[in-house]
Amino acid sequence: KQEVTQIPAALSVPEGENLVLNCSFTDSAIYNLQWFRQDPGKGLTSLLLIQSSQREQTSGRLNASLDKSSGRSTLYIAASQPGDSATYLCTVSLGTGNQFYFGTGTSLTVIP
Amino acid sequence: DADVTQTPRNRITKTGKRIMLECSQTKGHDRMYWYRQDPGLGLRLIYYSFDVKDINKGEISDGYSVSRQAQAKFSLSLESAIPNQTALYFCATAQGSSPLHFGNGTRLTVT
Repeated sequence: KQEVTQIPAALSVPEGENLVLNCSFTDSAIYNLQWFRQDPGKGLTSLLLIQSSQREQTSGRLNASLDKSSGRSTLYIAASQPGDSATYLCTVSLGTGNQFYFGTGTSLTVIP
Repeated sequence: DADVTQTPRNRITKTGKRIMLECSQTKGHDRMYWYRQDPGLGLRLIYYSFDVKDINKGEISDGYSVSRQAQAKFSLSLESAIPNQTALYFCATAQGSSPLHFGNGTRLTVT
């Protein structure tokens, strides 16, 4: 069974700081990896999707990398803002991408 | 309009009651999923469906049932609700290598 771990569980940083969130997984035979953002009591918003053949994806101030051989992905957030405060979840899919495994998330607080 | 719509957004019910949570999507995706989210436990898969004639149990299907009425609709039922089914429930859809898309969730409280 695929195990997905996100460390740290919580992170607090001052506004403007660059930061990295980590996601590790036990089975390297992934189909793709996706990063989500979740605001309290809300749904999950997709941020970035990395296919297994890709090494990274970028969207605005966000950059996600994937290293299948080491079973790791990172989400880099540049110049953090208070509006970035949320829980960030990563999920990996196996096989043909039909089944998804979620980490428990990193709760990020950006202090003004 | 949202691509994945869940109704109701909030529901309070009593122990032993039967309730249904509904999910509809306009994305034309074949695959649909029901998850529950509990603090500290992340998202856990309840049921999933790859098309109208295909229903599969997830890791925590006991106490739940589903119906895929059409490609666009996937409902989750609690036959006899119990307090430990209090959680945030999410419906999600996917197709091919596309991102997983979530609804806004249903907050269910069983008293």
